[in-house]
Amino acid sequence: QKEVEQNSGPLSVPEGAIASLNCTYSDRVSQSFFWYRQYSGKSPELIMSIYSNGDKEDGRFTAQLNKASQYVSLLIRDSQPSDSATYLCAPVSGGATNKLIFGTGTLLAVQP
Amino acid sequence: SAVISQKPSRDICQRGTSLTIQCQVDSQVTMMFWYRQQPGQSLTLIATANQGSEATYESGFVIDKFPISRPNLTFSTLTVSNMSPEDSSIYLCSVDGTSGIGSTDTQYFGPGTRLTVL
Repeated sequence: QKEVEQNSGPLSVPEGAIASLNCTYSDRVSQSFFWYRQYSGKSPELIMSIYSNGDKEDGRFTAQLNKASQYVSLLIRDSQPSDSATYLCAPVSGGATNKLIFGTGTLLAVQP
Repeated sequence: SAVISQKPSRDICQRGTSLTIQCQVDSQVTMMFWYRQQPGQSLTLIATANQGSEATYESGFVIDKFPISRPNLTFSTLTVSNMSPEDSSIYLCSVDGTSGIGSTDTQYFGPGTRLTVL
């Protein structure tokens, strides 16, 4: 089993719709979780962090965390073509260093 | 907010040569990380570099192939040694948030170095 699993996509949604991106992880000790957005040819950009079970909202983005199920998701409301990118889920490993474990990412395509 | 820069932004190298990539941050940070992102793949951590100590390498990466320096709290280098075409990748440095950029376990990435080995 991979440490972090994401559907590679592409996930295609129409402009204005809600995009739902899912991620499962295997390290039960992970306490911090991050979502990065990566445009083609660019480096990852941090968009959300979540540490507690439940929902965390930031503008059009909502992160959801369920540690018991080892599941974290990202919802993007009112999706825009500019949201088209690869979204990377990254739990922090439970080791001594703050090591991020990246999933393979989900490619989101927002259709105008 | 902190600015992270990398040099070079891209390079094309011959097999058997070595390339040193520089990562500069405009504020002091405790931890710096080096990642590799091969074409179409996600990010793989190569090593963690703390100032004043030897870098900690991940499984599958060795110091002879990827020597790292961390002379101060704002700078690090990664050398890709004796390159082969399989080393063609994007190399990214990242820093943690202990300087006030964000929370301590957040990481922020530099723009990356795109390496092509012929």
